[in-house]
Amino acid sequence: AQSVTQLDSHVSVSEGTPVLLRCNYSSSYSPSLFWYVQHPNKGLQLLLKYTSAATLVKGINGFEAEFKKSETSFHLTKPSAHMSDAAEYFCVVTTGRDDKIIFGKGTRLHILP
Amino acid sequence: KAGVTQTPRYLIKTRGQQVTLSCSPISGHRSVSWYQQTPGQGLQFLFEYFSETQRNKGNFPGRFSGRQFSNSRSEMNVSTLELGDSALYLCASSLDVGTTNYGYTFGSGTRLTVV
Repeated sequence: AQSVTQLDSHVSVSEGTPVLLRCNYSSSYSPSLFWYVQHPNKGLQLLLKYTSAATLVKGINGFEAEFKKSETSFHLTKPSAHMSDAAEYFCVVTTGRDDKIIFGKGTRLHILP
Repeated sequence: KAGVTQTPRYLIKTRGQQVTLSCSPISGHRSVSWYQQTPGQGLQFLFEYFSETQRNKGNFPGRFSGRQFSNSRSEMNVSTLELGDSALYLCASSLDVGTTNYGYTFGSGTRLTVV
């Protein structure tokens, strides 16, 4: 069975400081992992994806994530937060076996001026 | 190119009624999947269609059904609405079935309120 856990439901950082959103996964098969962002009253936008290529994945808007198999983690980072980054972020896992998609509960990122 | 279009954006229905939601995928995308988003349960997968066939199904009762047409447009139907069906329903399209290689592009959703 597969699952995904986002360790923080809310994260607050000051503008210009680093962002870290944590995600741990569980999967019986080689997973594909994604981060999506959802702004208020909007759909989800793909930030980045890991599909067994390079373990450090770069995405849009300066975000990146590192796949660590030994830690079963796929944390999302950004060196310097911007006010426009305030949104909800979802970590997602799927496997090639049945491609059922499992979403984490989401982390709401607050940016302090 | 146009994104994923969901209609209507907002909907209010009464308990016991049925509702049909529509999703038009990005041109060329053949896979359409549906999700329910609620504050309590988060995002949950409903089902996925590819070439007019249901390829995957989540753990929802039979009141939730869907279909896909030959032009890849998809509809989702919920019969005998319950208060707990109030949610944001998101549709996503992808080039091919599953997310392993392609990822999904999401629409803005339909906000369903059951009263």
